[in-house]
Formats: sequence, structure tokens, C-alpha cells
Amino acid sequence: GENVEQHPSTLSVQEGDSAVIKCTYSDSASNYFPWYKQELGKRPQLIIDIRSNVGEKKDQRIAVTLNKTAKHFSLHITETQPEDSAVYFCAASISNAGKSTFGDGTTLTVKP
Amino acid sequence: GAGVSQSPSNKVTEKGKDVELRCDPISGHTALYWYRQSLGQGLEFLIYFQGNSAPDKSGLPSDRFSAERTGGSVSTLTIQRTQQEDSAVYLCASSFNRVNEQFFGPGTRLTVL
Repeated sequence: GENVEQHPSTLSVQEGDSAVIKCTYSDSASNYFPWYKQELGKRPQLIIDIRSNVGEKKDQRIAVTLNKTAKHFSLHITETQPEDSAVYFCAASISNAGKSTFGDGTTLTVKP
Repeated sequence: GAGVSQSPSNKVTEKGKDVELRCDPISGHTALYWYRQSLGQGLEFLIYFQGNSAPDKSGLPSDRFSAERTGGSVSTLTIQRTQQEDSAVYLCASSFNRVNEQFFGPGTRLTVL
């Protein structure tokens, strides 16, 4: 089955710096890659996603890049703010299977 | 509109008892997922329903766990003969179809004493 590895497990940055979280996946058939943000005590919420026919997608301070050949994708957050502090999860899905495999999460702390 | 709802929000039970957790997905969402999240851990896939197709049960950790989805809407996750290691937050999510944004419910926090 699909295996998703996420790094780093924890990340601490200064407010205003950039943060990068990387994920690798094992199944080349995976074609949908969402990123979820989970604030403490709350439910995960989608922040950005990318499909395999696109190499990069950007939404204000957040961007995701996908390298299908290397089977990895990354989340980039620029100009970090304290409210970006949360746990971020990547996931990979195969359209025919539907099931999503999640990474173990990255705890991002943005220090003011 | 209404989001995904789960009940109860908290459940405390004694070891060996059975529990039922309920999930009400967003109306019109054909896909429904159950996950387990232990404290400070990631999202462990349990089971996935898509329309009227047979569910993907590949994530259920043991035969004490089962789930059903009635009428393509409400789902119930049942844990029989609960054990202390079952203590976790159980999250339900739904999506419009099989590969799209998942909307998560608030979760049910299960504590097995």
C-alpha cells in the first residue's frame, strides 16, 4: 500500500521567516496531494491541495510543489505569523482507491 | 451549511464494554472516512465508504472494530470489548467524492478506564 513520510516532525521558526515541510510517497499512482492544518484541540482543515497534472500551486503565503518523478511534494509558508503555529499533515490519494494516506504530521511553532 | 457532526463529543467507558460512535456527514457527500488520532499522533486510517460500494476496511486494527453506513449517510463506528489502548480521538470526515477535500468532524474523545 501507499506509504507517506513527512519531515521534519517539528519545526521552529522566527516570525517572518519561511517554513518548508516535505513529504515523500511510495505509490506512483497517487494523484491527489492535500495539506491539512490542525490547531490545538481542533479538527484538521484543508489549507491547500495539488493534483498530479500540476507542478506548483500558490495561495497567498502558502504554496505547494510536486515532483512526480522523485515522488515528493512540499509545503512552503512565507512570512510566517504566530497564528501559523499548528500541526500540518500531508496526504496522498489514488483516485480509483479513494483512501488517503496521511503523513505523521509536522508541529510548526512560529516564535514572535 | 452544516458541517460534519459527531456524537458523543466525549465518551468514558470501562474496559470490556462496547461503544458506538456516530458520524453525520455533510449532505450530498458520497465519501465518508473514519480515522483514529492518539494524543500527539497522526491520523490513522480506519475505514472508508464510497456510495454503495463495499467499504475499504483495510485500516481496522482488529475484529473488535466495525462500521456501517446506513442509507449512504449516517455512519456508526462500533468498538466491542474496549481496551485501554483504544483510548483516542476518533475523527470522521466526508468529501464530495472519492478524491477531494475532506471535511472533518470535531471528533469523539474515547477514554477507556
